[in-house]
Amino acid sequence: AQSVTQPDIHITVSEGASLELRCNYSYGATPYLFWYVQSPGQGLQLLLKYFSGDTLVQGIKGFEAEFKRSQSSFNLRKPSVHWSDAAEYFCAVGASVTGGGNKLTFGTGTQLKVEL
Amino acid sequence: KAGVTQTPRYLIKTRGQQVTLSCSPISGHRSVSWYQQTPGQGLQFLFEYFSETQRNKGNFPGRFSGRQFSNSRSEMNVSTLELGDSALYLCASAGEAYEQYFGPGTRLTVT
Repeated sequence: AQSVTQPDIHITVSEGASLELRCNYSYGATPYLFWYVQSPGQGLQLLLKYFSGDTLVQGIKGFEAEFKRSQSSFNLRKPSVHWSDAAEYFCAVGASVTGGGNKLTFGTGTQLKVEL
Repeated sequence: KAGVTQTPRYLIKTRGQQVTLSCSPISGHRSVSWYQQTPGQGLQFLFEYFSETQRNKGNFPGRFSGRQFSNSRSEMNVSTLELGDSALYLCASAGEAYEQYFGPGTRLTVT
């Protein structure tokens, strides 16, 4: 069964500083990997995804993530954080299951606080 | 395109009652998945429906059930509510690709 680990529960960065959120996954085959962001009281917004090909993927809001198979990681990065980036970030792995379809397994999330 | 919509947004129920939540997927999407989000357990997969058939199921008791209609709209039902069912219930729709798009959720409070 697949699993996702986000080792950092809380991260605080200053506005304008760079950001890296860590994500490690466990899955036997090549996974589908996602990063979502959730603002308080809201649903999840898809930031970016990795299915195959180029291991550096670009997403919305200036975010990018790099897939490293050797480290089973899919870390999210942003070169300069804005105060509006404060939210909770979830890494997820999707796996094709028998009979078709897929389900997402989420990490526990990283709460990002941005200091002005 | 309009996004995923969920109704109602907020709901308060009493233990032992049942509840039905509704989800309308993005136009053209045939897959609808449901997730439960709680502070203690995080985001957990409930089930997925595709073309009116349940395609995948998570590890939840039989009190949790769902269905999908021919227009891809989906409903989720929870019977005999327990306090622990208080959660944010999220619906996600997917097209041909594996990326899932989430609705705003329904906040269920069981008292």
